[in-house]
Amino acid sequence: GESVGLHLPTLSVQEGDNSIINCAYSNSASDYFIWYKQESGKGPQFIIDIRSNMDKRQGQRVTVLLNKTVKHLSLQIAATQPGDSAVYFCAEKSDSWGKFQFGAGTQVVVTP
Amino acid sequence: NAGVMQNPRHLVRRRGQEARLRCSPMKGHSHVYWYRQLPEEGLKFMVYLQKENIIDESGMPKERFSAEFPKEGPSILRIQQVVRGDSAAYFCASSTGQGNGEQYFGPGTRLTVT
Repeated sequence: GESVGLHLPTLSVQEGDNSIINCAYSNSASDYFIWYKQESGKGPQFIIDIRSNMDKRQGQRVTVLLNKTVKHLSLQIAATQPGDSAVYFCAEKSDSWGKFQFGAGTQVVVTP
Repeated sequence: NAGVMQNPRHLVRRRGQEARLRCSPMKGHSHVYWYRQLPEEGLKFMVYLQKENIIDESGMPKERFSAEFPKEGPSILRIQQVVRGDSAAYFCASSTGQGNGEQYFGPGTRLTVT
């Protein structure tokens, strides 16, 4: 069936470096994607989104890239900080009414 | 503007008891979604509701689980005769149903069945 998956379950990053989190999706009809951040014991927090008619979208210290040809999504975090340590999920909108499918998540660990 | 609120934050139930989880959406949001998350796993969709209507319950087990979103008051996810396998974090999200339909999540209810 259709699925959303992440390449790396754990990403260790040194403070100050840039982080790149990848996500593969298989539903070519998906037209909207969201990245969420989930800290331990908390609910997912909306970070940034992108529609399928865009290749790139930038926010504050974060950039999302979408490659529809290979059905790949990535989240880049600039100058990673200790507060960025969390699990990051990509979600694709897989239904007309707004049903989202979530990947398993990538744990980002920021080391000093 | 308060975000999505869920209560209780932690709930302990013995096997066979009932669990009731509540979700109040963000102000102005009339669409509610429930997800379940097991440790080290992603979020699994359970049910999507609008006021007084269940739109999609394809992710919800056919037995013991039910959900409602009444005209007044919070959305309720109800689990009857809980079993150990029901232990998980249950998250509620809400949206306006307009535009892209981005969903905003509550802090979750952590259910432990002993």
